[in-house]
Amino acid sequence: DAKTTQPNSMESNEEEPVHLPCNHSTISGTDYIHWYRQLPSQGPEYVIHGLTSNVNNRMASLAIAEDRKSSTLILHRATLRDAAVYYCILRKTGANNLFFGTGTRLTVIP
Amino acid sequence: GAGVSQTPSNKVTEKGKYVELRCDPISGHTALYWYRQSLGQGPEFLIYFQGTGAADDSGLPNDRFFAVRPEGSVSTLKIQRTERGDSAVYLCASSAWDMLTVGGGQNEQFFGPGTRLTVL
Repeated sequence: DAKTTQPNSMESNEEEPVHLPCNHSTISGTDYIHWYRQLPSQGPEYVIHGLTSNVNNRMASLAIAEDRKSSTLILHRATLRDAAVYYCILRKTGANNLFFGTGTRLTVIP
Repeated sequence: GAGVSQTPSNKVTEKGKYVELRCDPISGHTALYWYRQSLGQGPEFLIYFQGTGAADDSGLPNDRFFAVRPEGSVSTLKIQRTERGDSAVYLCASSAWDMLTVGGGQNEQFFGPGTRLTVL
């Protein structure tokens, strides 16, 4: 599986936007970019995914670089409930499993 | 609607014992996954079921680990002769099957809360 690189941790103030970066320089043309997050003592939950174009949903936005070698998950207004570990994952078309890595631990400061 | 459920939530056992961990997926989801998460790490894939059959068991660490899904819904992960290194949170996930794409496409996986296994 192609590898992703994320910062180990980030902090954000409550009610401010958060930009979580992910580098995936070895991404292939069939790799989708997925983001999951894991709140304390819970299983991971899906956030968003995309292939080439930027994507928006009710939880977040995903900005994908033109060369697809990096992406950024954007939380438009961080809340305390957004404190979690965020995983950036490359998933090939037809792949069954998710390869999680160690993710970015986001701390939201009140 | 009901999400993925896992039982028990916690399991403490002694080294060498046999354990079974249960997963109830979301109704109608044909794909089911087991992952294992050690402290401070991300989840690691163990096995994937499509219906009743194990389509990919490449993540099972050794032959002490086995999983079944006899009727295509509930799944049981079985661990024989448990070792202290098996201590982890065992996560189950399910997803709908995308008939148009090999491997189920990019459908999101819905995770259960996990079973915390402690081997003393």
